[in-house]
Amino acid sequence: GEDVEQSLFLSVREGDSSVINCTYTDSSSTYLYWYKQEPGAGLQLLTYIFSNMDMKQDQRLTVLLNKKDKHLSLRIADTQTGDSAIYFCAEPYMNSGYSTLTFGKGTMLLVSP
Amino acid sequence: AAGVIQSPRHLIKEKRETATLKCYPIPRHDTVYWYQQGPGQDPQFLISFYEKMQSDKGSIPDRFSAQQFSDYHSELNMSSLELGDSALYFCASSETADVGYNEQFFGPGTRLTVL
Repeated sequence: GEDVEQSLFLSVREGDSSVINCTYTDSSSTYLYWYKQEPGAGLQLLTYIFSNMDMKQDQRLTVLLNKKDKHLSLRIADTQTGDSAIYFCAEPYMNSGYSTLTFGKGTMLLVSP
Repeated sequence: AAGVIQSPRHLIKEKRETATLKCYPIPRHDTVYWYQQGPGQDPQFLISFYEKMQSDKGSIPDRFSAQQFSDYHSELNMSSLELGDSALYFCASSETADVGYNEQFFGPGTRLTVL
């Protein structure tokens, strides 16, 4: 798969906004995804964006996509302690005509009261 | 709503033993994916199946094999276990294997510890 890069750690205070960044390498990706993983738990799809969009807003979540720079970001407004988790961006890649996911290394978000 | 079921949730094995992990996809999902997540690592794709046929292969060691059965559940068989196989193994399922919007629903994972 292609390399997907993320910053490893982010610490914010409750009520602040959090911005998690990701760069990807496959410019042909049609969709890009953000997954959330709480400690000891599985991966939960948070949101996604279609490659012909620049921005997608979903309640407290805003996804920004810069295709030219292959940069994806996830903004969480009014961050809560329950948002503390690891956030993975993921892109699909084609192999043998099918699609699976390549994940970034994950960004650990720590929200302090 | 039904989710992806994985069993067992925890498994402890000794080196050189074998292990079988099971995955039951969401009803009507025909595609199953297996991922391995080492401590502090991102999930790495192992293998996937679409309509009971292997559809894609990632970094799955030769010591591992998998299959999807007629009821769409899948099993990951791991032999000659090594210490480095200790990880969380996730199964995911989706409605289709097409490129495009392909939401994969993840199970809770099986935590394998090799002693």
